[in-house]
Amino acid sequence: EIVMTQSPATLSVSPGERATLSCRASQSVSSNLAWYQQKPGQAPRLLIYGASTRATGIPARFSGSGSGTEFILTISSLQSEDFAVYYCQQYNNWPSLTFGQGTRLEIK
Amino acid sequence: EVQLVQSGAEVKKPGESLKISCKGSGYSSANYWIAWVRQMPGKGLEWMGIIYPDDSDTRYSPSFQGQVTISADKSITTAYLQWSSLKASDTAMYYCVRREMSGAFESWGQGTMVTVSS
Repeated sequence: EIVMTQSPATLSVSPGERATLSCRASQSVSSNLAWYQQKPGQAPRLLIYGASTRATGIPARFSGSGSGTEFILTISSLQSEDFAVYYCQQYNNWPSLTFGQGTRLEIK
Repeated sequence: EVQLVQSGAEVKKPGESLKISCKGSGYSSANYWIAWVRQMPGKGLEWMGIIYPDDSDTRYSPSFQGQVTISADKSITTAYLQWSSLKASDTAMYYCVRREMSGAFESWGQGTMVTVSS
């Protein structure tokens, strides 16, 4: 099973600044990588798929990059509503669709 | 509009059985894989398994194989997750979600909270 490792576990950033979240796969997942945002009491929301394609309705301040085993989610100019938990997920190793353990993005 | 509507919260005792549901609408629901995802209190997301309602082809995460049963009734566009004997450690929020053609999970149900306590 592919293990997804996210870092850091918690990231403290001030509003208006940039946040950079990392996700590493234990073996190559090509570009079959998604990012999700989850706020308290809500279901996760798809942000990015195919490592770099924004899902419908996702603001341009969210961007994804990477391929193979190293991936980055960047949120430029953080807004108050962006403070949440973020998960990466690989879907290359069908039918195993593993998630990372999450990064909590908190207000500094 | 694509919607996945899950059954309501459940409170059960250890050893009891349970079947929760997820009804899809707004699309031809037999032709998309539906997955189940567990989230234990304060923890992350865990993929449990996935089903293709059109032919009930089902795949399980090794962590959940034998622990739960995933099924579907395509005539009523509904997927199910069931337990034959609940444990306290099954206490969690359970989400159903549709797998898109891209492979990612875009449309999520609202979640079903299952509490198992004596």
